[in-house]
Amino acid sequence: KAGVTQTPRYLIKTRGQQVTLSCSPISGHRSVSWYQQTPGQGLQFLFEYFSETQRNKGNFPGRFSGRQFSNSRSEMNVSTLELGDSALYLCASSGKVQYEQYFGPGTRLTVT
Amino acid sequence: KNQVEQSPQSLIILEGKNCTLQCNYTVSPFSNLRWYKQDTGRGPVSLTIMTFSENTKSNGRYTATLDADTKQSSLHITASQLSDSASYICVVSALADSWGKLQFGAGTQVVVTP
Repeated sequence: KAGVTQTPRYLIKTRGQQVTLSCSPISGHRSVSWYQQTPGQGLQFLFEYFSETQRNKGNFPGRFSGRQFSNSRSEMNVSTLELGDSALYLCASSGKVQYEQYFGPGTRLTVT
Repeated sequence: KNQVEQSPQSLIILEGKNCTLQCNYTVSPFSNLRWYKQDTGRGPVSLTIMTFSENTKSNGRYTATLDADTKQSSLHITASQLSDSASYICVVSALADSWGKLQFGAGTQVVVTP
């Protein structure tokens, strides 16, 4: 079974631009969560989607948004990028097995 | 204040030696606690998951313990190998299956030297 995949793996953007990151969950998994990881703040929850609906949302500004498609693939978008948005963005998928969650390799975003 | 505190922040150990990482939490009500291993530049990988009724769980050379009364957990690495060099993150859930309720520790950076 293929794991969680994220594209692109690395991205460099300029302040003010917007970016879209993609996540393909493990086949059969319907829940996709997104996290931001920085050296200073550690892992922070962005949002979770389940069956195309946002089920939970963390404490991030409205510049961070996401969506999930009918095939469970998910995208997150960050508009008007700021230097502080530089981070590793991780997505994780979960299925029917209670408590299990699998992370993708992450997308390293650098904002200059 | 972070509801999950990990110690030490970092440690260096010699290959073949054992080490123990600590995780204290204040999350309540408690559902489950996980330990993840994260290699540099990679996503976290689950090592163990424990609910309140479990007080020990092993995964190869990794053994996690949980004391739900004192709200403490430890991760013991036996006979460390160079590949154990990574960040170890303690994650506590206050509500079963609600991924938005996860509380993350800052991690312990482990470096295993030859």
